[in-house]
Amino acid sequence: NAGVTQTPKFRVLKTGQSMTLLCAQDMNHEYMYWYRQDPGMGLRLIHYSVGEGTTAKGEVPDGYNVSRLKKQNFLLGLESAAPSQTSVYFCASGDREYEQYFGPGTRLTVT
Amino acid sequence: GQSLEQPSEVTAVEGAIVQINCTYQTSGFYGLSWYQQHDGGAPTFLSYNALDGLEETGRFSSFLSRSDSYGYLLLQELQMKDSASYFCAVRDNTGTASKLTFGTGTRLQVTL
Repeated sequence: NAGVTQTPKFRVLKTGQSMTLLCAQDMNHEYMYWYRQDPGMGLRLIHYSVGEGTTAKGEVPDGYNVSRLKKQNFLLGLESAAPSQTSVYFCASGDREYEQYFGPGTRLTVT
Repeated sequence: GQSLEQPSEVTAVEGAIVQINCTYQTSGFYGLSWYQQHDGGAPTFLSYNALDGLEETGRFSSFLSRSDSYGYLLLQELQMKDSASYFCAVRDNTGTASKLTFGTGTRLQVTL
């Protein structure tokens, strides 16, 4: 099992560009999450999904959109990137809210 | 809203015992999770407490007191590989019960 994978691992964007981060899990988990991690701020929840076809806003959803068309995939979109979105993005999945399995992360820089 | 407090840094000697505290404020509390994250790596799940008391998993134990809104992670027989950041996270029912709110993390440095 690959667990949770994220694509890409690194990306540099210019302000105003768009991109999509892909998260895939092969554990048949119902719940999937997108977090961002900034120095000294821990993990902050952007959006999450409790099942295929569902999405919900987390703590910091502005500037991001998500889709969960297939159970194993959770996509995070940035429509118009801003320097404030420079961060490390982690995807996670799980069947129990308290026990989440994280992907390796995507390091995004917006210039 | 929710808030969690944990020390930003802790230093301990190899072979010793260290306790990382976490206090929280939230409504509709369900439980407290702990995660470990090495530099450059992804967080990994360590433990979860829904009820008062101590949960032991090998060298790691986690404690919860719901009445005090307080928990801690206890690491015994410290090893150099335990140097990492440790996050507490509350599971609560604000909105839905399907998410965690993480603290800002405690950086543990294990020295010789």
